[in-house]
Amino acid sequence: EDQVTQSPEALRLQEGESSSLNCSYTVSGLRGLFWYRQDPGKGPEFLFTLYSAGEEKEKERLKATLTKKESFLHITAPKPEDSATYLCAVQNSGGSNYKLTFGKGTLLTVNP
Amino acid sequence: NAGVTQTPKFQVLKTGQSMTLQCAQDMNHNSMYWYRQDPGMGLRLIYYSASEGTTDKGEVPNGYNVSRLNKREFSLRLESAAPSQTSVYFCASSGQVPGSSGANVLTFGAGSRLTVL
Repeated sequence: EDQVTQSPEALRLQEGESSSLNCSYTVSGLRGLFWYRQDPGKGPEFLFTLYSAGEEKEKERLKATLTKKESFLHITAPKPEDSATYLCAVQNSGGSNYKLTFGKGTLLTVNP
Repeated sequence: NAGVTQTPKFQVLKTGQSMTLQCAQDMNHNSMYWYRQDPGMGLRLIYYSASEGTTDKGEVPNGYNVSRLNKREFSLRLESAAPSQTSVYFCASSGQVPGSSGANVLTFGAGSRLTVL
């Protein structure tokens, strides 16, 4: 059974204080690892897909990295508008091609 | 530029009542999904439709039925609502992304908040 564990559950940062969110996963074969952002009262919004260990992707102040067991979402010099819940999900390469397993998310709060 | 549209946004039901959540996408995606999101539980897949004419159970299908009406529309029905079905429901869709090796990038709707008393 695929599993995704995100840590910490909640993270509070000061504006400009860089940090990282962790996503540990267990999957028999990885088709893709996904990061989403979710604002209160809204649906998740796609950020990145990572396919293989060693891959990195960047978008503005966010950088996602992937190893064989975990992914990190690095936030550099965050701003208050980066406050949101960040979700990690994995898609198995076998069985159903459509099922994503989500973690419970990390609630990030960036104070001005 | 609507993406995925869900209705209603809010609904309150009494135990035993029935209702249907509607979902439509305008991105010409083949696959559509229904998830529920509960505090401390994360997003869990209820049902999905890989393509028009097919539906399959996800992790938590009990108490729900779905209909893939056409390529655009995928509805979720609660035949006899129970308090355990109080949740936020998200519809999503996905299409093939070139070079993605079949990885499914989901586009989500804004959610439907359902309360069952």
